[in-house]
Order: sequence, then structure tokens, then C-alpha cells
Amino acid sequence: KNQVEQSPQSLIILEGKNCTLQCNYTVSPFSNLRWYKQDTGRGPVSLTIMTFSENTKSNGRYTATLDADTKQSSLHITASQLSDSASYICVVSAISPLVFGKGTRLSVIA
Amino acid sequence: EPEVTQTPSHQVTQMGQEVILRCVPISNHLYFYWYRQILGQKVEFLVSFYNNEISEKSEIFDDQFSVERPDGSNFTLKIRSTKLEDSAMYFCASSAYKGESYEQYFGPGTRLTVT
Repeated sequence: KNQVEQSPQSLIILEGKNCTLQCNYTVSPFSNLRWYKQDTGRGPVSLTIMTFSENTKSNGRYTATLDADTKQSSLHITASQLSDSASYICVVSAISPLVFGKGTRLSVIA
Repeated sequence: EPEVTQTPSHQVTQMGQEVILRCVPISNHLYFYWYRQILGQKVEFLVSFYNNEISEKSEIFDDQFSVERPDGSNFTLKIRSTKLEDSAMYFCASSAYKGESYEQYFGPGTRLTVT
């Protein structure tokens, strides 16, 4: 069964610190992997999309990595800001449709 | 910047009633989607729509659900006889192209509460 597992479930960090969120998937066949940011009560907003051949992709302070062999991805957030507080969702694409992880709830505190 | 819009933002209805959730996708997009997210759970795919017909649907999308593109701009999700377990956030999304390499843009969601 196609599944996406994320860890940790929640995370609290101090403003200015870095953090890394993890994603493991068992989706086959694999097409691409996406990271979304979802603010409370809002729709997901795309941060990165990576295909099978891409190992890393950056979007400002967000850097995603992908290891297609081990079926793992990470999202690294550098120099966190209060506005980074949100859920970060790993989404894997098979042929279709998208398979969502449950997300990591990140809280950045001053 | 173009965005997907959804109305209403919050809908409260009684069990057994029909509801229609509305979405206006980005204007030049051709592929449309509905997802739902039960509180505290992950986003789940409901249905995809292209060229005035359903492309794919999940097990959740049973006979109680239907989708329509009644005009050139709106995309609707109808639930015929709501159940308590239909309470969730419903997200509409659209994309310019078919294929999983292409970005889907999500709307802000409609919170449906069935009492």
C-alpha cells in the first residue's frame, strides 16, 4: 500500500535555529516528491518538487533532499523565523493521485 | 498572483442535507481536484476532473459525491446527503497540465461541519 510517513510529529524550536524534518515513503512507482507548507486553516502551499533524478532542491531557506534508493527525503529549514510555524507535509506522487503524509507540526518560538 | 478561491469558508449543515462547495480555479488551468482533510488527519484525494469529466476518483468518492463545472469558471463539489463523518476541510486544487510533475495550486479550503 502506498504510504508516506513523517517524523517528528511535532517540533518546537527557537527562532533563528535550524531544523530538519524527515519523510519516508513506500510509494511505487515513484514520480516525484513534494514538500508543502500548510498554515492552520489554509490550503497547502508548495515549497519544492523533486523528481527521481534530483538529490537536492532549495527554495530560499528551505532545502529538500531525496534519496530514491532508501525512499527517504528531508526538509531542512535554515535560520527559522516565527512565520515558519506551520505544518510541513511530504507528498509523493505515483502515477496518480498524490499521496500525502500526515505532516510535521513546527512551532518556532521567540 | 492568480490563486484558487473557495466559498464558503465555513459551512454548517445538518445531517442528511445537501451541500455544494464552490471553487474558482486559476483561469488558464485545465485540471481540477478535490481533497479533504479530517481534523488532525492527512489530506486525502477525492477526485480529479478534466475536460468536463472525472479522470480519477478515490474510494471515498462514493455515490453521495458529485462534481460539476457548471460554467467556464466554477468547479463544484456536491454532497447529496451529508453524514457526520463528512465533517472536514475540503480543498480544491487546479493545475495547468496533467501529469504528476506539474504543480497543483490549492485553495484556502472550506470547513464543513455536519451536525
